[in-house]
Amino acid sequence: SQQGEEDPQALSIQEGENATMNCSYKTSINNLQWYRQNSGRGLVHLILIRSNEREKHSGRLRVTLDTSKKSSSLLITASRAADTASYFCATDNFNKFYFGSGTKLNVKP
Amino acid sequence: KAGVTQTPRYLIKTRGQQVTLSCSPISGHRSVSWYQQTPGQGLQFLFEYFSETQRNKGNFPGRFSGRQFSNSRSEMNVSTLELGDSALYLCASSLGRGDSPLHFGNGTRLTVT
Repeated sequence: SQQGEEDPQALSIQEGENATMNCSYKTSINNLQWYRQNSGRGLVHLILIRSNEREKHSGRLRVTLDTSKKSSSLLITASRAADTASYFCATDNFNKFYFGSGTKLNVKP
Repeated sequence: KAGVTQTPRYLIKTRGQQVTLSCSPISGHRSVSWYQQTPGQGLQFLFEYFSETQRNKGNFPGRFSGRQFSNSRSEMNVSTLELGDSALYLCASSLGRGDSPLHFGNGTRLTVT
């Protein structure tokens, strides 16, 4: 991708389990954002973490950011079948957004 | 508040033709950005417009162009279509300030035959 990679590329878990996905990026950033995409549709913004923050929570989501390693992780706790989607990280460098390659999450009921 | 609207939803064109895609942003949003999504290359940034000016540009050939009108609506044009231009084209709007999240439309699926 133009900016970085995510891993794993695909993740399959049971409902109720936690899901962790990782994102690495290449350049300096203002902030990093996570988005969800359901099949064939637009992306939905989940959470934003600024470059001077290390951790952020929103409901069942927890995001960490390590600017020294140029990496971030997204944790979804107590996953539900409705969380099945692709998840992308996006780095914001002065309104120029670069997206990772995405993690396809499948939550089995 | 109405979301981001992209038209048309689907398009089928022939190699060599040109195409124009339209995007209506959320009311009050002055920034509109465009992305190409393909299975092989993922989501790639095309360009961003803010208050009718192109503020940022990705690494796409000059066949890809865009514009933004005074009401913030935006259009993207692709000339001399190639088979590799087949993709989902996504538009996103935002306030265009630091820390503004993107709000995406559902995209236009372009197929070039």
